[in-house]
Amino acid sequence: KQEVTQIPAALSVPEGENLVLNCSFTDSAIYNLQWFRQDPGKGLTSLLLIQSSQREQTSGRLNASLDKSSGRSTLYIAASQPGDSATYLCAAYPGQGGSEKLVFGKGTKLTVNP
Amino acid sequence: DAGVIQSPRHEVTEMGQEVTLRCKPISGHDYLFWYRQTMMRGLELLIYFNNNVPIDDSGMPEDRFSAKMPNASFSTLKIQPSEPRDSAVYFCASTPRAGATQETQYFGPGTRLLVL
Repeated sequence: KQEVTQIPAALSVPEGENLVLNCSFTDSAIYNLQWFRQDPGKGLTSLLLIQSSQREQTSGRLNASLDKSSGRSTLYIAASQPGDSATYLCAAYPGQGGSEKLVFGKGTKLTVNP
Repeated sequence: DAGVIQSPRHEVTEMGQEVTLRCKPISGHDYLFWYRQTMMRGLELLIYFNNNVPIDDSGMPEDRFSAKMPNASFSTLKIQPSEPRDSAVYFCASTPRAGATQETQYFGPGTRLLVL
């Protein structure tokens, strides 16, 4: 059974700092790994999707990497801004033969202080 | 497109009452998912549909929960009777396809349910 873990549960940084959010998963047989952002009281918004054959994806100040062999993914945020404050969730999509279920971590709550 | 639409946004009810949550997926999306989010358990998949057919309902916690998708543009999640432990945020999400060519899922704003 796939399990996804995100540590730490919360992170507070000063504005302008570069930071890394961590995600680990127990079963390396995945189709892709996805990162979402959730603002308070809102739904999830997709940030990046990394296919199992890829090593990383970039969008603006965000860079997500994937290492299937070690069961890890990281989300790198460059030059953080107060507007980046949100909860970031990663989710693993199971490999062939699995159902269509995304397995989510519980998220890392990020606070960027001005 | 307006995105995934959910109603109501907030629901407060008393224990034992029936609760119906509604979802309109993005037009053209073949897959629809219902999730529940709590502080303790995080985000859990309850059930998902493909082309209006329920595929996997193993996440539905009890027989008190039921979900339907009568057509491609509408789905309901019903709780009858409701209990205080059902209090959570319920999300609906849709995606155009899954499998090897899966795209990401698009989430609605959620329904905040409080059962007193």
